[in-house]
Amino acid sequence: GAVVSQHPSRVICKSGTSVKIECRSLDFQATTMFWYRQFPKQSLMLMATSNEGSKATYEQGVEKDKFLINHASLTLSTLTVTSAHPEDSSFYICSARRGQFGNNSPLHFGNGTRLTVT
Amino acid sequence: AQSVTQLDSQVPVFEEAPVELRCNYSSSVSVYLFWYVQYPNQGLQLLLKYLSGSTLVESINGFEAEFNKSQTSFHLRKPSVHISDTAEYFCADRYNFGNEKLTFGTGTRLTIIP
Repeated sequence: GAVVSQHPSRVICKSGTSVKIECRSLDFQATTMFWYRQFPKQSLMLMATSNEGSKATYEQGVEKDKFLINHASLTLSTLTVTSAHPEDSSFYICSARRGQFGNNSPLHFGNGTRLTVT
Repeated sequence: AQSVTQLDSQVPVFEEAPVELRCNYSSSVSVYLFWYVQYPNQGLQLLLKYLSGSTLVESINGFEAEFNKSQTSFHLRKPSVHISDTAEYFCADRYNFGNEKLTFGTGTRLTIIP
């Protein structure tokens, strides 16, 4: 069964509003979670690395003030798209690693959130 | 810098025919290599991975991939595909020193023709 839960699966919002996406590890603690963005018919692009108890690390070109990441507990990371615009419409996917950094555990991915900004 | 190349964006294959999805990596240092599958409107599921050891790795649903260092390739193969194999397949690598970031290829859409 799913080990990473992402919610909501779909969301439609009006331009200018903010949307929060949750990513939960269901039966393990994840000190690190990753947020990806996927445009139609394209690959996943890493947006940021979410670290529990500290600030997220953003990839080059990703606006940290627009994509707010909070990793308040070992099982929950949230991504908030602030003042959303139509160009933010995309498929957002989170992932989490079971276990400690440096081991060979694979990443577990959530089922993604399709955001549509009208 | 790492990069992963998937040369084929779309691959149509008749049911029960064999298939090969190509993946090449460019890192000059040791890497970990992965194949992920994505079904419509879903996240990614790990299909198989190469970390070390045997260069031929297999998944539980009949796929296999072979790590070829001389050709810097990690092609995915299946001898006989099924309708349920229709999905998007992503090759990825992970630089195994210092970070856990995955770099994904652009994906290959595998379509099985009945």
